[in-house]
Amino acid sequence: GAVVSQHPSRVICKSGTSVKIECRSLDFQATTMFWYRQFPKQSLMLMATSNEGSKATYEQGVEKDKFLINHASLTLSTLTVTSAHPEDSSFYICSAPAGKDTQYFGPGTRLTVL
Amino acid sequence: AQSVTQPDIHITVSEGASLELRCNYSYGATPYLFWYVQSPGQGLQLLLKYFSGDTLVQGIKGFEAEFKRSQSSFNLRKPSVHWSDAAEYFCALLRDNNNDMRFGAGTRLTVKP
Repeated sequence: GAVVSQHPSRVICKSGTSVKIECRSLDFQATTMFWYRQFPKQSLMLMATSNEGSKATYEQGVEKDKFLINHASLTLSTLTVTSAHPEDSSFYICSAPAGKDTQYFGPGTRLTVL
Repeated sequence: AQSVTQPDIHITVSEGASLELRCNYSYGATPYLFWYVQSPGQGLQLLLKYFSGDTLVQGIKGFEAEFKRSQSSFNLRKPSVHWSDAAEYFCALLRDNNNDMRFGAGTRLTVKP
């Protein structure tokens, strides 16, 4: 079946640095991908919708200048956390729809900011 | 508003006992509903989904869910729980204006030996 990959699976960085997370659809094209954030023991919350060929749309309260999204191709979206701070430490999960009733989720990226 | 509510934050059942996890939704029409399971530190695994047709949906690992429009519910059930079922369970709804998922708060399942 269709698979969505994320890289890296885990990343530890120092406060103030930037971190890039990749989300790839491996055997299907995705004009849209979604980025979610999950804090410990909490649910997944949509951060932004990544659109191939146009700007991402961000949910209320998510800083677009801090969480840069680039949908470089029909199979790749990247999320860059700029000037990371400890409060950005979280589990980041992407998903890509493959039809109306099917969403494929990536395995997630655990970000720890020291 | 399109939203999902999972009333139970944590449920403990004995191995071999039956399980029901509750999910209520708020949606104007017939929703696309999903149940996912997440083990600690892992991604999401789809258990089952409903979008039309038979209101009793069979999923993987022996799970099933029943869509009840009159109660705005989509409860997940399993007749006999195994220790490996211990995990976090999320009910989710597909938002039709954006095709993203709205998740409930999750229910953590603990299985006693």
